[in-house]
Amino acid sequence: LAKTTQPISMDSYEGQEVNITCSHNNIATNDYITWYQQFPSQGPRFIIQGYKTKVTNEVASLFIPADRKSSTLSLPRVSLSDTAVYYCLHPLILTGGGNKLTFGTGTQLKVEL
Amino acid sequence: DVKVTQSSRYLVKRTGEKVFLECVQDMDHENMFWYRQDPGLGLRLIYFSYDVKMKEKGDIPEGYSVSREKKERFSLILESASTNQTSMYLCASKLGQGPIDTIYFGEGSWLTVV
Repeated sequence: LAKTTQPISMDSYEGQEVNITCSHNNIATNDYITWYQQFPSQGPRFIIQGYKTKVTNEVASLFIPADRKSSTLSLPRVSLSDTAVYYCLHPLILTGGGNKLTFGTGTQLKVEL
Repeated sequence: DVKVTQSSRYLVKRTGEKVFLECVQDMDHENMFWYRQDPGLGLRLIYFSYDVKMKEKGDIPEGYSVSREKKERFSLILESASTNQTSMYLCASKLGQGPIDTIYFGEGSWLTVV
C-alpha cells in the first residue's frame, strides 16, 4: 500500500516560511510525489508535483531528497489565505490496471496575524 | 478546465434508505474515485474505477457499492444508509494510468443520515 505520514497540524504567522514534511517509505521507482491543498467545504486542488531534487512554481517549492523516502512542501511568506489542509500523495499504480490513490490524514496549517 | 460535478451538495436521508450519490466528469478521464472525509481522518478511499464497468475496492468499501455504466459517470450507492455514514463524500477523476496526471475533485456532497 502507498502510505504517507505527515504532521497532523502546524501553526505559523503571516510572512513566515512554512515547511511541511511527508514521509513515504515505500515509494516505488516510477512514483511521482504530489501535494494538494484543501480549503473548508471544497475539494482538494493540485499544488505541486515532483520526482526528485527540487521543483518550484508560483505557489510553492517541493524538495525531494535522493532516497525519495520523504518530501518537503515549502510555502514562502504565508498569508492568512494559506490556512488549509495539505496532503501529500504518491499514487499506487496497480499492475492489473488503475491507480489506487490513498491520501493520508493531511496537515492542517493555521496561519495567524 | 476539467469539471467534476457532484449532483447533490447537501442531502438528508433516513436510516435504512438507499442513497445514490452521482458524479460526472467532462474530460474523458479513465479513472474515477469516491472518498469520504471525516474530521481527523483525512480522505479515505471507498471505491475506484479505471474503466467502464470496472471497479476496485478502496480502503473502506464496507456498506457501499458503485456503478460505472458510462465513462463520464461514477455513482456511489449506500444500500442501506446508517448514521455512521454521515460524512462528506468527494468524487475525483484522473486522466489515465500515468503517475503524473493531476487529480480533479468535485465540490463534495454532505450527507446526513438521521
